[in-house]
Amino acid sequence: QQQVKQSPQSLIVQKGGISIINCAYENTAFDYFPWYQQFPGKGPALLIAIRPDVSEKKEGRFTISFNKSAKQFSLHIMDSQPGDSATYFCAAHPGFQKLVFGTGTRLLVSP
Amino acid sequence: KAGVTQTPRYLIKTRGQQVTLSCSPISGHRSVSWYQQTPGQGLQFLFEYFSETQRNKGNFPGRFSGRQFSNSRSEMNVSTLELGDSALYLCASSTDRVNTGELFFGEGSRLTVL
Repeated sequence: QQQVKQSPQSLIVQKGGISIINCAYENTAFDYFPWYQQFPGKGPALLIAIRPDVSEKKEGRFTISFNKSAKQFSLHIMDSQPGDSATYFCAAHPGFQKLVFGTGTRLLVSP
Repeated sequence: KAGVTQTPRYLIKTRGQQVTLSCSPISGHRSVSWYQQTPGQGLQFLFEYFSETQRNKGNFPGRFSGRQFSNSRSEMNVSTLELGDSALYLCASSTDRVNTGELFFGEGSRLTVL
C-alpha cells in the first residue's frame, strides 16, 4: 500500500517529441506528489510537484497530470530536448512520513 | 547558499568491514534523510532525523544506523558489510518541521563492497 509504481522503466524520444512517464499509487493518504530529475553523477533534484486538490500543474515544458479517482499521475515533457535526458522519479508523501519513490524512468532524448 | 555535502564521494570496502558516511545539510535545514539507490530498486528510504531524533525508519536491517548532531550534520553507519550493500547512498535535507516531502539531495556517496 506504500508503493508507487512507475512506468516505463526506460524511454527513448526524439528531439521535439513528448515524453510521458506514468505513476500509480494505492494509498489514499498520499497528499503530495513530486517528480525528481537525476542526472548521472548527481543527486535527484525536485522538478515539479502537485497536490491532490488540482488536476494539472504546468511549469514551462513540464506538466503533471493528476487523476485522483484513478490514483494515477503522470509527467509530460513537451518539446523534449537532449538536455532532458536523465532519470526521472515520481514520489508520493503519506502525510507526516517519508517520501515513497517510484523505481525511476531513464529518459533518452535523441538529437 | 551551499547545497547538501556528502563525504566521501567514493569508497571501496570489503565484506565484513564497516563504513561511516557523512552529510552536511543546507544551512538552516534541520531534517536529514538517508536513501539507498540501486539499479532497479530506485530510492529506498533508510531513516530520517529531525533535531537529533530519528523520526522515521525504513525497512533495513539493524546493521544500518544513523545519528544527527546538534549542528544538524548527520552520519550513517553500516556494519558487517555485505556485497549487496554496494549502492549510492544519498542524503537529503529539508527545512520542514512537518516533513512535507520537499527534499534537497546531495550528490551521494558511492559505496562498493568487494
